[in-house]
Amino acid sequence: SQQGEEDPQALSIQEGENATMNCSYKTSINNLQWYRQNSGRGLVHLILIRSNEREKHSGRLRVTLDTSKKSSSLLITASRAADTASYFCATDGSSNTGKLIFGQGTTLQVKP
Amino acid sequence: ETGVTQTPRHLVMGMTNKKSLKCEQHLGHNAMYWYKQSAKKPLELMFVYNFKEQTENNSVPSRFSPECPNSSHLFLHLHTLQPEDSALYLCASSPRGGGSPLHFGNGTRLTVT
Repeated sequence: SQQGEEDPQALSIQEGENATMNCSYKTSINNLQWYRQNSGRGLVHLILIRSNEREKHSGRLRVTLDTSKKSSSLLITASRAADTASYFCATDGSSNTGKLIFGQGTTLQVKP
Repeated sequence: ETGVTQTPRHLVMGMTNKKSLKCEQHLGHNAMYWYKQSAKKPLELMFVYNFKEQTENNSVPSRFSPECPNSSHLFLHLHTLQPEDSALYLCASSPRGGGSPLHFGNGTRLTVT
Protein backbone atom coordinates (compact mmCIF):
# COMPACT_ATOMS: atom_id res chain seq x y z
CA SER A 1 0.00 0.00 0.00
CA GLN A 2 1.13 3.53 -0.66
CA GLN A 3 2.68 5.73 1.99
CA GLY A 4 0.91 8.89 0.82
CA GLU A 5 -2.62 9.08 -0.46
CA GLU A 6 -4.18 12.32 -1.64
CA ASP A 7 -7.77 13.34 -1.42
CA PRO A 8 -9.65 14.34 -3.52
CA GLN A 9 -8.29 12.72 -6.67
CA ALA A 10 -9.64 15.60 -8.76
CA LEU A 11 -10.72 19.13 -7.92
CA SER A 12 -12.21 21.80 -10.16
CA ILE A 13 -12.64 25.39 -8.94
CA GLN A 14 -13.05 28.92 -10.26
CA GLU A 15 -10.19 31.38 -10.36
CA GLY A 16 -9.97 33.28 -7.09
CA GLU A 17 -11.31 30.44 -4.97
CA ASN A 18 -9.22 28.48 -2.49
CA ALA A 19 -8.18 24.89 -3.13
CA THR A 20 -7.55 22.38 -0.37
CA MET A 21 -5.89 19.02 -0.88
CA ASN A 22 -5.33 16.39 1.76
CA CYS A 23 -2.71 13.70 2.18
CA SER A 24 -2.68 10.73 4.53
CA TYR A 25 0.25 8.48 5.24
CA LYS A 26 0.89 5.32 7.20
CA THR A 27 4.28 5.30 8.93
CA SER A 28 6.25 7.79 11.01
CA ILE A 29 8.11 10.45 9.07
CA ASN A 30 10.97 12.93 9.32
CA ASN A 31 9.31 15.30 6.89
CA LEU A 32 6.52 15.59 4.36
CA GLN A 33 6.85 17.39 1.05
CA TRP A 34 4.44 18.72 -1.55
CA TYR A 35 5.20 18.82 -5.26
CA ARG A 36 3.43 20.16 -8.33
CA GLN A 37 3.49 18.64 -11.80
CA ASN A 38 2.30 20.39 -14.92
CA SER A 39 1.17 18.16 -17.76
CA GLY A 40 4.07 16.47 -19.52
CA ARG A 41 6.68 17.97 -17.20
CA GLY A 42 8.69 16.90 -14.19
CA LEU A 43 7.68 17.54 -10.60
CA VAL A 44 8.54 20.80 -8.90
CA HIS A 45 9.14 20.96 -5.15
CA LEU A 46 6.77 23.37 -3.40
CA ILE A 47 7.26 23.08 0.33
CA LEU A 48 8.72 20.81 3.02
CA ILE A 49 7.31 20.51 6.52
CA ARG A 50 9.20 18.70 9.26
CA SER A 51 7.57 16.28 11.66
CA ASN A 52 7.94 18.75 14.56
CA GLU A 53 6.19 21.55 12.63
CA ARG A 54 2.44 22.01 12.48
CA GLU A 55 2.04 24.70 9.85
CA LYS A 56 4.12 26.34 7.17
CA HIS A 57 3.49 29.12 4.66
CA SER A 58 5.05 29.98 1.33
CA GLY A 59 3.39 32.74 -0.65
CA ARG A 60 -0.17 31.59 -1.42
CA LEU A 61 0.56 28.10 -0.08
CA ARG A 62 -0.26 26.94 3.41
CA VAL A 63 0.64 23.44 4.58
CA THR A 64 -0.47 21.83 7.82
CA LEU A 65 0.75 18.62 9.38
CA ASP A 66 -0.98 16.52 12.02
CA THR A 67 1.33 13.66 12.98
CA SER A 68 -1.22 12.20 15.40
CA LYS A 69 -3.61 11.70 12.49
CA LYS A 70 -0.83 11.05 9.98
CA SER A 71 -2.26 13.64 7.65
CA SER A 72 -1.33 16.87 5.91
CA SER A 73 -3.20 19.46 3.91
CA LEU A 74 -2.14 21.89 1.20
CA LEU A 75 -4.17 25.06 0.82
CA ILE A 76 -3.74 27.28 -2.23
CA THR A 77 -5.38 30.64 -1.67
CA ALA A 78 -6.73 32.95 -4.39
CA SER A 79 -6.13 30.34 -7.06
CA ARG A 80 -5.11 31.25 -10.60
CA ALA A 81 -5.50 29.42 -13.89
CA ALA A 82 -1.72 28.86 -13.80
CA ASP A 83 -2.19 26.73 -10.66
CA THR A 84 -3.82 24.06 -12.83
CA ALA A 85 -1.62 21.00 -12.29
CA SER A 86 -1.34 17.76 -10.34
CA TYR A 87 -0.22 18.01 -6.73
CA PHE A 88 1.58 15.24 -4.88
CA CYS A 89 2.59 14.68 -1.30
CA ALA A 90 5.71 12.66 -0.52
CA THR A 91 7.05 11.23 2.70
CA ASP A 92 10.42 9.85 3.70
CA GLY A 93 9.11 7.17 6.05
CA SER A 94 11.67 8.26 8.71
CA SER A 95 14.47 6.64 6.70
CA ASN A 96 17.70 8.32 5.68
CA THR A 97 18.11 6.46 2.42
CA GLY A 98 16.63 9.18 0.24
CA LYS A 99 13.59 7.03 -0.40
CA LEU A 100 10.68 9.42 -0.94
CA ILE A 101 7.30 7.76 -1.41
CA PHE A 102 4.71 9.67 -3.41
CA GLY A 103 0.94 9.54 -3.35
CA GLN A 104 -1.27 9.29 -6.43
CA GLY A 105 -1.85 13.01 -6.52
CA THR A 106 -4.71 15.47 -6.78
CA THR A 107 -5.47 16.92 -10.19
CA LEU A 108 -6.48 20.55 -9.80
CA GLN A 109 -8.23 22.50 -12.52
CA VAL A 110 -8.67 26.22 -12.04
CA LYS A 111 -11.14 27.71 -14.48
CA PRO A 112 -10.61 31.32 -15.60
CA GLU B 1 15.62 24.99 -17.30
CA THR B 2 15.29 22.79 -14.24
CA GLY B 3 18.98 22.08 -13.68
CA VAL B 4 18.27 18.41 -14.40
CA THR B 5 18.32 17.48 -18.08
CA GLN B 6 16.95 14.24 -19.45
CA THR B 7 17.42 12.91 -22.95
CA PRO B 8 15.72 11.86 -25.07
CA ARG B 9 12.36 13.46 -24.29
CA HIS B 10 10.50 10.77 -26.21
CA LEU B 11 11.54 7.23 -27.09
CA VAL B 12 9.75 4.49 -28.98
CA MET B 13 11.37 1.08 -28.90
CA GLY B 14 10.53 -2.48 -29.76
CA MET B 15 10.70 -5.25 -27.21
CA THR B 16 13.97 -6.57 -28.60
CA ASN B 17 15.76 -3.21 -28.73
CA LYS B 18 18.43 -1.91 -26.38
CA LYS B 19 18.35 1.77 -25.53
CA SER B 20 19.59 4.08 -22.80
CA LEU B 21 18.09 7.04 -21.01
CA LYS B 22 20.42 9.79 -19.90
CA CYS B 23 20.17 12.23 -17.02
CA GLU B 24 22.55 15.06 -16.21
CA GLN B 25 22.37 17.49 -13.31
CA HIS B 26 24.17 20.82 -13.07
CA LEU B 27 23.31 21.51 -9.43
CA GLY B 28 26.29 19.98 -7.65
CA HIS B 29 24.05 17.40 -5.98
CA ASN B 30 25.31 14.11 -4.60
CA ALA B 31 22.19 11.95 -4.84
CA MET B 32 20.37 10.91 -8.01
CA TYR B 33 17.19 8.94 -8.54
CA TRP B 34 15.13 7.15 -11.17
CA TYR B 35 11.35 7.17 -10.83
CA LYS B 36 8.72 5.57 -13.06
CA GLN B 37 5.38 7.32 -13.57
CA SER B 38 2.61 5.25 -15.14
CA ALA B 39 -0.92 6.38 -15.83
CA LYS B 40 -3.24 6.05 -12.84
CA LYS B 41 -0.42 4.96 -10.52
CA PRO B 42 1.76 6.80 -8.01
CA LEU B 43 5.36 7.54 -8.81
CA GLU B 44 7.44 4.43 -8.26
CA LEU B 45 10.97 4.80 -6.96
CA MET B 46 13.32 2.59 -8.96
CA PHE B 47 16.90 3.37 -7.95
CA VAL B 48 18.80 5.73 -5.66
CA TYR B 49 22.47 6.65 -5.92
CA ASN B 50 24.39 8.51 -3.24
CA PHE B 51 27.90 9.64 -4.13
CA LYS B 52 27.83 7.25 -7.14
CA GLU B 53 26.95 4.25 -4.98
CA GLN B 54 23.58 2.54 -5.41
CA THR B 55 21.73 2.70 -2.09
CA GLU B 56 18.28 1.60 -3.21
CA ASN B 57 16.98 -0.89 -5.74
CA ASN B 58 13.24 -1.08 -5.34
CA SER B 59 12.84 -4.63 -6.67
CA VAL B 60 13.24 -3.44 -10.24
CA PRO B 61 13.37 -6.13 -12.98
CA SER B 62 16.83 -6.78 -14.39
CA ARG B 63 15.76 -5.53 -17.82
CA PHE B 64 16.36 -2.08 -16.28
CA SER B 65 20.03 -1.50 -15.53
CA PRO B 66 21.19 1.78 -13.95
CA GLU B 67 24.64 3.28 -14.24
CA CYS B 68 26.07 6.24 -12.33
CA PRO B 69 29.59 7.03 -13.56
CA ASN B 70 29.82 10.23 -11.48
CA SER B 71 27.61 12.40 -9.30
CA SER B 72 26.43 14.46 -12.28
CA HIS B 73 25.34 11.70 -14.64
CA LEU B 74 22.86 8.87 -14.39
CA PHE B 75 21.85 6.38 -17.05
CA LEU B 76 19.10 3.82 -17.32
CA HIS B 77 19.92 1.04 -19.76
CA LEU B 78 16.90 -0.75 -21.20
CA HIS B 79 16.72 -4.15 -22.89
CA THR B 80 13.97 -6.63 -23.77
CA LEU B 81 11.28 -4.40 -22.31
CA GLN B 82 7.59 -5.22 -22.16
CA PRO B 83 4.67 -3.04 -23.30
CA GLU B 84 3.74 -2.49 -19.64
CA ASP B 85 7.08 -0.72 -19.18
CA SER B 86 5.71 2.17 -21.25
CA ALA B 87 5.70 5.16 -18.90
CA LEU B 88 7.29 8.50 -18.10
CA TYR B 89 10.73 7.93 -16.59
CA LEU B 90 11.79 10.75 -14.32
CA CYS B 91 15.26 11.49 -13.08
CA ALA B 92 15.79 13.57 -9.96
CA SER B 93 18.67 14.81 -7.86
CA SER B 94 19.10 16.18 -4.35
CA PRO B 95 21.99 17.65 -2.36
CA ARG B 96 22.15 14.40 -0.42
CA GLY B 97 19.89 11.51 0.44
CA GLY B 98 17.82 11.47 3.57
CA GLY B 99 14.61 13.10 2.40
CA SER B 100 15.92 16.42 1.11
CA PRO B 101 13.82 18.04 -1.66
CA LEU B 102 14.19 16.53 -5.11
CA HIS B 103 14.86 18.42 -8.32
CA PHE B 104 13.27 16.62 -11.25
CA GLY B 105 13.99 16.59 -14.94
CA ASN B 106 11.13 16.72 -17.43
CA GLY B 107 11.29 13.01 -18.04
CA THR B 108 11.57 10.63 -20.97
CA ARG B 109 8.24 9.42 -22.35
CA LEU B 110 8.93 5.78 -23.25
CA THR B 111 6.66 3.71 -25.46
CA VAL B 112 7.41 0.01 -25.90
CA THR B 113 5.78 -1.52 -28.96
